[in-house]
Amino acid sequence: AQSVAQPEDQVNVAEGNPLTVKCTYSVSGNPYLFWYVQYPNRGLQFLLKYITGDNLVKGSYGFEAEFNKSQTSFHLKKPSALVSDSALYFCAVRSLSGGSYIPTFGRGTSLIVHP
Amino acid sequence: EAQVTQNPRYLITVTGKKLTVTCSQNMNHEYMSWYRQDPGLGLRQIYYSMNVEVTDKGDVPEGYKVSRKEKRNFPLILESPSPNQTSLYFCASTGTSGTYEQYFGPGTRLTVT
Repeated sequence: AQSVAQPEDQVNVAEGNPLTVKCTYSVSGNPYLFWYVQYPNRGLQFLLKYITGDNLVKGSYGFEAEFNKSQTSFHLKKPSALVSDSALYFCAVRSLSGGSYIPTFGRGTSLIVHP
Repeated sequence: EAQVTQNPRYLITVTGKKLTVTCSQNMNHEYMSWYRQDPGLGLRQIYYSMNVEVTDKGDVPEGYKVSRKEKRNFPLILESPSPNQTSLYFCASTGTSGTYEQYFGPGTRLTVT
């Protein structure tokens, strides 16, 4: 079985400050890891993924995420937050080792960036 | 343009009146899935399909049906909707080659009174 935990329901940060949205996962074998963003009244949009290789992956809108195998974490980061980054962020995982191509999602973290 | 479409976007109905939410993708993806999104519960998978005529239950399948007669379409059917099915529904598709991320539809907000 695979699972994802996003321990924070909400993250508040001031514009211009760095932000981190946390994600830990559990999966059999090696993971595929994803971050998605949902803006109000919109569907989910893909932000970035880790499949293999470099532990630091870069994605859309200046976001990046760091894969840490020993801590089973895949935290989303951005060096300088914008008010327009305010949205709901979902982490997702699926196993590389066969089975379904459908990932498991976390409960989501609401990011609020204050002007 | 690669996209997943859902219809309708908004639907208000009454308990027990059968309804279908359509989902279509133009990317020739093998995998399609339905999710519901509820406050505090995140995204929960209802059903998924690995290809034509191959469907399986997700985490919350009760009260829902799906079919996959064509690769591009994956309708969600509520035979007898109940108020606890009031939710925001998303369809998504994924390819089996390439980058594996899911493409989501715009969502269908369903209210059952």
